[in-house]
Amino acid sequence: AQTVTQSQPEMSVQEAETVTLSCTYDTSENNYYLFWYKQPPSRQMILVIRQEAYKQQNATENRFSVNFQKAAKSFSLKISDSQLGDTAMYFCAPQGFSARQLTFGSGTQLTVLP
Amino acid sequence: DTGVSQDPRHKITKRGQNVTFRCDPISEHNRLYWYRQTLGQGPEFLTYFQNEAQLEKSRLLSDRFSAERPKGSFSTLEIQRTEQGDSAMYLCASSFSAGAETQYFGPGTRLLVL
Repeated sequence: AQTVTQSQPEMSVQEAETVTLSCTYDTSENNYYLFWYKQPPSRQMILVIRQEAYKQQNATENRFSVNFQKAAKSFSLKISDSQLGDTAMYFCAPQGFSARQLTFGSGTQLTVLP
Repeated sequence: DTGVSQDPRHKITKRGQNVTFRCDPISEHNRLYWYRQTLGQGPEFLTYFQNEAQLEKSRLLSDRFSAERPKGSFSTLEIQRTEQGDSAMYLCASSFSAGAETQYFGPGTRLLVL
C-alpha cells in the first residue's frame, strides 16, 4: 500500500523565480519509482520527471529537478526559471515494482505570476 | 505517434442509465490503466490490463463497473445504473512494461450524472 502527502494545496511564484513543491510518501515496497506529473487547466496529465528509488543521484530534466531523500521518504520538485506555462496542478506519485498503478497525492496548484 | 485517445470527451447522462467509455492506447503499449479523478483531487486507480488480461481491480470498482480489453488493444469501461456519485473525470493511461514504466495519459472523459 502507498500513501502520498502533498502539504501545499496552493503555491504561487513570480515568473523567472524558483519554487519548490513538497511531497512525502509511504510505501511497503522496497523497490519503486517516483513521478511528478502536471495537469494544466482542462488539459491532460503530462509527465514532468521521474526518479528510480534505487538511484542516489537526483533526477534532472531541464528546468525541473528533484530532491529525493529516501530515508525520509521525501520527494520534492524544484522548478527553476518559472514560466507562465508552468501554471498547473502538480501531482506526486509513487509506483511500486509489484503494484504497478500510480498512487497520486492531492496535488499542489501552482500559479506563475507575470 | 497519436498518443492515448479517449472517447467521448464529455458525457451527460441521467441517473440509472448505462454509459461506456473507450480508450485507445499508444500502439506498442501492452499495459492499460483506468483512473477516476474527482474535482480538486488526484486520480484514483480503478483497474489495469496487461495485454488482454485484467490483472488488478481496485475496491473502488463496484459491481456496476466493468472493463474489458479485447485482443489487448483498445479498452472499454462500462458503468451500469449510473449514480450521481459517479460524476468524475475518467482517465486512461498506457505504458510499456519495462523498467521505469512511465504511464502516458489520455485527455479523459468527463462524466456528469444528473
